[in-house]
Amino acid sequence: QSALTQPASVSGSPGQSITISCTGTSSDVGSNQFVSWYQQHPGKAPKLMIYDVSNRPSGVSNRFSGSKSGNTASLTISGLQVEDEADYYCSSYVSNSVIFGGGTKVTVL
Amino acid sequence: QVQLQESGPGLVKPSETLSLTCSVSGGSISSYYWSWIRQPPGKGLEWIGYVYYSGTTNYNPSLKSRVTISLDTSKNHFSLKLSSVTAADTAVYYCARHGGGMTMVIGWGQGTLVTVSS
Repeated sequence: QSALTQPASVSGSPGQSITISCTGTSSDVGSNQFVSWYQQHPGKAPKLMIYDVSNRPSGVSNRFSGSKSGNTASLTISGLQVEDEADYYCSSYVSNSVIFGGGTKVTVL
Repeated sequence: QVQLQESGPGLVKPSETLSLTCSVSGGSISSYYWSWIRQPPGKGLEWIGYVYYSGTTNYNPSLKSRVTISLDTSKNHFSLKLSSVTAADTAVYYCARHGGGMTMVIGWGQGTLVTVSS
C-alpha cells in the first residue's frame, strides 16, 4: 500500500487555472471511481473538496473540478484565488483501505 | 451536525502505548465508518485504520501489528491504541467520519498533537 504520487508544489497567479495530478496504480486509482480530494490550510483539519473523482460536496465552489484518466486523477482549480493557497491531498479507497497522496502545496503568486 | 473531538495525552514515552478517544456529538456513532488518520509535523496524511459501528475493523498494513481501534456505542465514542511507540509516531492525530460507505472522509476532528519523547 504505497502513497499516491502528487507534485510537491504547484503555483499560479490569481485568476489562472492550475491542475494537480495524483498518480497511483491499476490496483488503486485505476481500479474504481473512489478518488477524493482534500484541502488543508495551515493548522486546520482537511476539508473534502471532491469525491468519487468529480463530485463536489454542497458548499464547495464550482471552481474546483476533478477528473481521472487511467491511473491518474486530477484536481483543477479555475479562477485561482488567494484563499485557495493551501495543501491539497488526493485519496483512493480500495479494498476497505484508504491511501493518501503525499500532498501538493498550492501557492498563489 | 456531527462533531468529533479527540482527547488523550499529548506526550507519550517511547515503547509505551498511545491512547486516544474521539467523542462524537450531534449524531449517533451507531452508523457510518470511523477512522483515525495522522499527520507527522510538516508531512502528509496517513490513514491508520477504521472501525464500523458493528465492531468490524481494518488497519493500515504498515501499522497493523501495533494498532487497535474500538468503539463504545454507550458512550458514543471510539478509541485508538498504538503500542510500542517511537519518535516516528509523533504526529497530529485526527479522528474522522466516512461517507459513501468508506469512500470519502466527510468530517474531521480538530486534531490533537501527540509527541513521543522521554
